[in-house]
Amino acid sequence: EVQLVETGGGLVQPGRSLKLSCVASGFTFNNYWMSWTRQAPGKGLEWVASITNSGGSTYYPDSVKGRFTISRDNAQNTLYLQMNSLRSEDTATYYCTRDELGAYYFDYWGQGVMVTVSS
Amino acid sequence: DTVLTQSPALAVSPGERVTISCRASESVSTLMHWYQQKPGQQPTLLIYLASNLESGVPARFSGSGSGTDFTLTIDPVEADDTATYYCQQSWNDPWTFGGGTKLELK
Repeated sequence: EVQLVETGGGLVQPGRSLKLSCVASGFTFNNYWMSWTRQAPGKGLEWVASITNSGGSTYYPDSVKGRFTISRDNAQNTLYLQMNSLRSEDTATYYCTRDELGAYYFDYWGQGVMVTVSS
Repeated sequence: DTVLTQSPALAVSPGERVTISCRASESVSTLMHWYQQKPGQQPTLLIYLASNLESGVPARFSGSGSGTDFTLTIDPVEADDTATYYCQQSWNDPWTFGGGTKLELK
């Protein structure tokens, strides 16, 4: 059974940093691209970052480019999201997702972790 | 960015057929996907590549479309289908989601 378990969320002040982790199990982690997608309270979904299966390439929308960094440790089956210079608009539930190769859709989602950016 | 437009809400009776639309601001070929999100839960994949049913998803769900106009159909609707449905495109960077259609049962 595929499982994605996110940790690391919490309350953080604007301008500070936070690092999320996602531990994967039930599949061969290093065969899959992985991504983060977020959802602000009561709002829709927004893709945040993706990483290739080797970790050699990463992709971001303009809204987080230069502030967020996605990475992975294939030996530990773990995905990360380093979030710097956090803003109030980054407040959201962050989901770790597994990507289907070649078509960039998300076939498995974690339960999500809440990040609140507030002073 | 490619904007995906969905109707905000729909209300149907159990046993009826419902179609949920998603219109893209530019062509996305057939790289359109649909997700279901029940209250308090993470989204789950229903349909990928416009018309392919994800494993384990009931055959009551189907998808169609190409280019800029896409449809998710549920026939017949059941009480358990109360949820918000999102479309997502992966043809144009950045990948984007629609605003979601909240389906309510009468």
